[in-house]
Amino acid sequence: DAGVIQSPRHEVTEMGQEVTLRCKPISGHDYLFWYRQTMMRGLELLIYFNNNVPIDDSGMPEDRFSAKMPNASFSTLKIQPSEPRDSAVYFCASSFQGIWNEQFFGPGTRLTVL
Amino acid sequence: DAKTTQPNSMESNEEEPVHLPCNHSTISGTDYIHWYRQLPSQGPEYVIHGLTSNVNNRMASLAIAEDRKSSTLILHRATLRDAAVYYCILRDGGGSNYKLTFGKGTLLTVNP
Repeated sequence: DAGVIQSPRHEVTEMGQEVTLRCKPISGHDYLFWYRQTMMRGLELLIYFNNNVPIDDSGMPEDRFSAKMPNASFSTLKIQPSEPRDSAVYFCASSFQGIWNEQFFGPGTRLTVL
Repeated sequence: DAKTTQPNSMESNEEEPVHLPCNHSTISGTDYIHWYRQLPSQGPEYVIHGLTSNVNNRMASLAIAEDRKSSTLILHRATLRDAAVYYCILRDGGGSNYKLTFGKGTLLTVNP
């Protein structure tokens, strides 16, 4: 298996632009997670899905952030409009049959908002 | 919420054992202790987890104190590839929804 796939690996955009991050979980996994990592705040859980349904989005910082999972093999995290403080590494992870089972992380997307 | 306390950094020499401590004095009776690590420029990866008994796998061992207020991740022979940030994590939240909450972790440096 190729593992969790994220795209793009790097994104540089200007303030006010829309940014879309993409994730393909490991085939067969039924949980998908979006995390954000910054030096100041460390690694934070933004939202997670179970069987394509959002379960807990309490970590989403504000309405500018939205996440979707239209099917079991694809998820997006969208920021609109983007701001410089959104600059971070965004990780997607997936797991099988439980949030507390081993989570497999993707390589991350490094987002820079100028 | 149960919290963990880890040293900010530790240093080890290659091929020597490493003991990474974690304090969790407010752990509840049903909380599992999970360890993840994050190598430079990579996403975190699972290392090991346990509840009460000591656990072993191909990567490491987890020693859990009898009162469960602390635990130690043991790397039996550190290699340069083990240089990473190690996170000790407890279950966070209540009800049926639990979060994997990462703290600051311990930055492990392995000297050749």
